[in-house]
Amino acid sequence: EIVLTQSPGTLSLSPGERATLSCRASQSVSSTYLAWYQQKPGQPPRLLIYGASSRATGIPDRFSGSGSGTDFTLTISRLEPEDFAVYYCQQYGSSPYPFGQGTRLEIK
Amino acid sequence: EVQLVESGGGLVQPGGSLRLSCAASGFTFSSYWMHWVRQAPGKGLVWVSRINSDGSSTSYADSVKGRFTISRDNAKNTLYLQMNCLRAEDTAVYYCARGGEYSYDAFHIWGQGTMVTVSS
Repeated sequence: EIVLTQSPGTLSLSPGERATLSCRASQSVSSTYLAWYQQKPGQPPRLLIYGASSRATGIPDRFSGSGSGTDFTLTISRLEPEDFAVYYCQQYGSSPYPFGQGTRLEIK
Repeated sequence: EVQLVESGGGLVQPGGSLRLSCAASGFTFSSYWMHWVRQAPGKGLVWVSRINSDGSSTSYADSVKGRFTISRDNAKNTLYLQMNCLRAEDTAVYYCARGGEYSYDAFHIWGQGTMVTVSS
């Protein structure tokens, strides 16, 4: 069973800065099946990136995903106030479909 | 508008049962795999169960296997989660989410969630 480990646990940055979030898998994951989600308090998750690097519908181009094998990255090029939230990676290529434990992006 | 609306959550005693529903609209429900995902208060996302498009194949997280049953009624555009032998650790917001069209895909659409509290 694949385990996804996200780092850092919390990231403190200011609006306008660049954010780099990491997701490491315990075994190789096909990049076809790696997703990133954003969740704000009291809301359901929202899909940002699928297939490791494809942006979901309506997602701004400041969000980008990259990586392969066991190491994947979500980058937010210039943080907007609405980007401060919790971010999860997920493997969805085979059951079970684990999520990482999340990275909290907070305002510095 | 593509939409998923969960219902059926509430307070239940340990050992009790509950059935969650997820009403789908705005897309061809019968074409899509569907999932349940839960989130305990203040915790992360945990995948619970998946059902394929016609209901012939299901899978479960080890933590709920043998206690929870996922099903669907494509004529009613509704997904279900029958939860039996509930435990305190099942307390969570339960989300339904849309998977792929006849195959694996990310969870593009999520419902707002329904809260399940297991407590005496």
